[in-house]
Amino acid sequence: GAVVSQHPSWVICKSGTSVKIECRSLDFQATTMFWYRQFPKQSLMLMATSNEGSKATYEQGVEKDKFLINHASLTLSTLTVTSAHPEDSSFYICSALDRSYNEQFFGPGTRLTVL
Amino acid sequence: AQKVTQAQTEISVVEKEDVTLDCVYETRDTTYYLFWYKQPPSGELVFLIRRNSFDEQNEISGRYSWNFQKSTSSFNFTITASQVVDSAVYFCALVGYSGNTPLVFGKGTRLSVIA
Repeated sequence: GAVVSQHPSWVICKSGTSVKIECRSLDFQATTMFWYRQFPKQSLMLMATSNEGSKATYEQGVEKDKFLINHASLTLSTLTVTSAHPEDSSFYICSALDRSYNEQFFGPGTRLTVL
Repeated sequence: AQKVTQAQTEISVVEKEDVTLDCVYETRDTTYYLFWYKQPPSGELVFLIRRNSFDEQNEISGRYSWNFQKSTSSFNFTITASQVVDSAVYFCALVGYSGNTPLVFGKGTRLSVIA
């Protein structure tokens, strides 16, 4: 299957700093990527839909000014957690849509810990 | 609206026992895809199966088997002769046939296989 990478795989930061997470489709172009957040012992919750060349669509309750999404190329979407706080500590997972097959492939996830 | 229900929050079995994980879904789409993913402690989602709604045949892959019953909107997953390495959280998910919308996940079932 297709490969999606995320970087970094884990990050620890201080409260108030910003953290950028990258999601890359390595062997296909992805005009659409999805960002999910998973708190401990919970399921994946969709945060936003990222479309190449346009503004992201955020789910209700997700602050667009706090979670900045940029999908500037067909293989890269970034999620920036601005002014991170301990409650933002979570596992962030992206998926990329391969329109050739209408299949989605998940990245390995990024574990964010905010101290 | 789409919804996936995994009623079993946690299951514990002894090694070599068979175990079935239940998944019930709701959708207004006439065509759709169903998935099962495994999430080990590392966090990365491991794809297990994708089944389209046209195909109600049961599927077997090694010790894994899936029973899709459209009449009861269920897509159950059975592990035969469970092993300790099967211990993980298992998610059932649903997406419309276009595939270009985010997956809807169930809350997951945590399986513990005890030696």
